[in-house]
Amino acid sequence: QKEVEQNSGPLSVPEGAIASLNCTYSDRGSQSFFWYRQYSGKSPELIMSIYSNGDKEDGRFTAQLNKASQYVSLLIRDSQPSDSATYLCAVNRKGGSYIPTFGRGTSLIVHP
Amino acid sequence: KAGVTQTPRYLIKTRGQQVTLSCSPISGHRSVSWYQQTPGQGLQFLFEYFSETQRNKGNFPGRFSGRQFSNSRSEMNVSTLELGDSALYLCASSLGGNLGNEQFFGPGTRLTVL
Repeated sequence: QKEVEQNSGPLSVPEGAIASLNCTYSDRGSQSFFWYRQYSGKSPELIMSIYSNGDKEDGRFTAQLNKASQYVSLLIRDSQPSDSATYLCAVNRKGGSYIPTFGRGTSLIVHP
Repeated sequence: KAGVTQTPRYLIKTRGQQVTLSCSPISGHRSVSWYQQTPGQGLQFLFEYFSETQRNKGNFPGRFSGRQFSNSRSEMNVSTLELGDSALYLCASSLGGNLGNEQFFGPGTRLTVL
């Protein structure tokens, strides 16, 4: 079982729709969770961090964390073509090391 | 605040050569991590330096090494280059706490080994 799993996609949504990206992790003791956006040919850019169960909203983005079910999700409201990118989930695993483990990413395509 | 900077942005080397990459973190950030990103393996952690000491290390051979200077700038060295070392090498900086500080990535160095 992979430590951090994401559906590779592509996930295709129409402009203005809600895009829902999901990530599951295997280490139940994981403590902190991050979503990064990576445009083709560019480096990852931090979108959200979340540390406790529930929802965290920032503009059009909402991160949701459910530690009991070991998943974290990212919702993008009013999706725009400029949101088309690969979204990476990163999880800080238990054990003292703060270095996050990254999923392979989900490719999102927002079509006009 | 200026972001993370990496130099050079592009490198072309031949097998057997060595290469040194440089990273300057965000001002005030004491932790620098290095990652290798390839289409086949995704983003893989190489190592992390904090206050001039290697604090964490990924599962890469000893040909990959690094160091950090007193001003938090970091260098990564790869010796005896192999074709499989062709990748995007990313540096990320953070404040360096132990609860999963947010990491901010530099633009990367694209290394091609011929």
